[in-house]
Amino acid sequence: NAGVTQTPKFQVLKTGQSMTLQCAQDMNHEYMSWYRQDPGMGLRLIHYSVGAGITDQGEVPNGYNVSRSTTEDFPLRLLSAAPSQTSVYFCASSYSVGSYEQYFGPGTRLTVT
Amino acid sequence: GQQVMQIPQYQHVQEGEDFTTYCNSSTTLSNIQWYKQRPGGHPVFLIQLVKSGEVKKQKRLTFQFGEAKKNSSLHITATQTTDVGTYFCAGPSSNTGKLIFGQGTTLQVKP
Repeated sequence: NAGVTQTPKFQVLKTGQSMTLQCAQDMNHEYMSWYRQDPGMGLRLIHYSVGAGITDQGEVPNGYNVSRSTTEDFPLRLLSAAPSQTSVYFCASSYSVGSYEQYFGPGTRLTVT
Repeated sequence: GQQVMQIPQYQHVQEGEDFTTYCNSSTTLSNIQWYKQRPGGHPVFLIQLVKSGEVKKQKRLTFQFGEAKKNSSLHITATQTTDVGTYFCAGPSSNTGKLIFGQGTTLQVKP
């Protein structure tokens, strides 16, 4: 099993550009989520999904969109990149929400200039 | 809203010294999880505690869940350079079940 994979590993965007961060898991997990990690802020939940076709907002959803057309994939779209979105983004999956071990992907380091 | 707080934010120790990080929730938790993130890496699950007063050990790491299920601690005995990283606690929101992460404690170990 590859676990949770994310692409790209690094990305530099100019303000106003859009892009999609890819996330895939091969563990048949129902729950998938996106976090951003900033110094001193821990892991903050952006969006999450409890199954294909179902998504919801987390703590910091503004400026991001998600969709979940399959169990395996959960892409994160930045609509119009801003310097405040410079961060490290982690995708995670787990069997279900809350009380189960979360498996994290390797992360995408995004810089917006 | 529900919060999970960790202290300290940073800790520098000499190799061989002990280390403890504390996690406090504003509400009672059904369980608490601990993760470790090595520098440049991603968070990796260490353990989950479920029962009030539960204590679990993994080699030199000891995890405790408070009697009131609102706090937890991670203690490392005789730190080694391989212990370097950021340790996060996380508990499920009482409203939504989503995991809420603490800010993390970053451990530096001087050889």
